[in-house]
Amino acid sequence: DVKVTQSSRYLVKRTGEKVFLECVQDMDHENMFWYRQDPGLGLRLIYFSYDVKMKEKGDIPEGYSVSREKKERFSLILESASTNQTSMYLCASSLSQSTNYGYTFGSGTRLTVV
Amino acid sequence: AQRVTQPEKLLSVFKGAPVELKCNYSYSGSPELFWYVQYSRQRLQLLLRHISRESIKGFTADLNKGETSFHLKKPFAQEEDSAMYYCALKGGSYIPTFGRGTSLIVHP
Repeated sequence: DVKVTQSSRYLVKRTGEKVFLECVQDMDHENMFWYRQDPGLGLRLIYFSYDVKMKEKGDIPEGYSVSREKKERFSLILESASTNQTSMYLCASSLSQSTNYGYTFGSGTRLTVV
Repeated sequence: AQRVTQPEKLLSVFKGAPVELKCNYSYSGSPELFWYVQYSRQRLQLLLRHISRESIKGFTADLNKGETSFHLKKPFAQEEDSAMYYCALKGGSYIPTFGRGTSLIVHP
């Protein structure tokens, strides 16, 4: 069974901390994505990557950065966590830019910033 | 620009009743449309794609280009259909745009 694995299911961090959210996929997918999921707002794209060491800003990149040093791993970094970054974070991957393919999602990381 | 609108935040029905989850889109070209579902405490997963013209778990969705809609339908709702449903559009970019989601609750 193909998998997208997010390293933590729940995280609690303090304001101002640097936070790392890790995502690993075992499907040799080219594209990886980070979304945040908030009630009433749906899924909002933070960053995506279509190749190793490549990254592109999504709709809400402010306060975040990403790293993709290896094809299978895509990390989301909160440089200085703030309470408005409390959310559910979803990682996803897809095989190619072909429009026929959907996403495979991870289980999500629920981050609480206090 | 591409946009997806799911007008209902919440849809509540009784078991056995028909269900229609609405999705309207805005895109000038030929869209690719998807429905994703997230059951309680489970990961978000692809339910169906318009290009496949398939029926999954009794759900179907037809692309209506004239009305720019891709509504998700099921003739007889089951309690296990209770979940969050997201409509998504891929237009010119390979990055899909998601709607805000509709929470479906099926009462026994």
